[in-house]
Amino acid sequence: ILNVEQSPQSLHVQEGDSTNFTCSFPSSNFYALHWYRWETAKSPEALFVMTLNGDEKKKGRISATLNTKEGYSYLYIKGSQPEDSATYLCAFGRGSTLGRLYFGRGTQLTVWP
Amino acid sequence: NAGVTQTPKFRILKIGQSMTLQCTQDMNHNYMYWYRQDPGMGLKLIYYSVGAGITDKGEVPNGYNVSRSTTEDFPLRLELAAPSQTSVYFCASSNQLHEQYFGPGTRLTVT
Repeated sequence: ILNVEQSPQSLHVQEGDSTNFTCSFPSSNFYALHWYRWETAKSPEALFVMTLNGDEKKKGRISATLNTKEGYSYLYIKGSQPEDSATYLCAFGRGSTLGRLYFGRGTQLTVWP
Repeated sequence: NAGVTQTPKFRILKIGQSMTLQCTQDMNHNYMYWYRQDPGMGLKLIYYSVGAGITDKGEVPNGYNVSRSTTEDFPLRLELAAPSQTSVYFCASSNQLHEQYFGPGTRLTVT
């Protein structure tokens, strides 16, 4: 069983706060690390795909970093807005099973106005 | 591009009935997937396919079957539906980066 752990499980912040979540994954046989955003009653949507140790990706107020040697990735949201409320999933891609992703359970973010 | 489409959107089945969930993608992706979403458990992979004619089991394949006769279509078959199969089912396809594109989901209730 391949474990992808996300923390915290849920997070409540005020509008304007900055926040970050963690994704831990196996450090061996790494291929890629994905982040997805999943709004209630919708489908998950891809945010980032990272493949190299030290990768940093940014999309607007959201950014992510990757450390493959120690097996973790951080997702940061700067100046959270109510529309950022969603579940954020990370997923690990392993070299020996290309195409298949192993998803964490997600971090549920609620941003209060 | 319609992306990934799924039918039906909702379905209620009686225990023991069978049905097929349809999934079609128009992005010419080789990889396709079926997931189920259970409350508090995130996404669980049922089956996936790396190309037409090739399928493989995921974490929770029992009670399901799939086929992949074309690049575009990846139907999921439920035989002898059980209450434990009540869930939301997502189909997805992925590009060369394995970035996944999800369909809108099918909400299935087995009573």
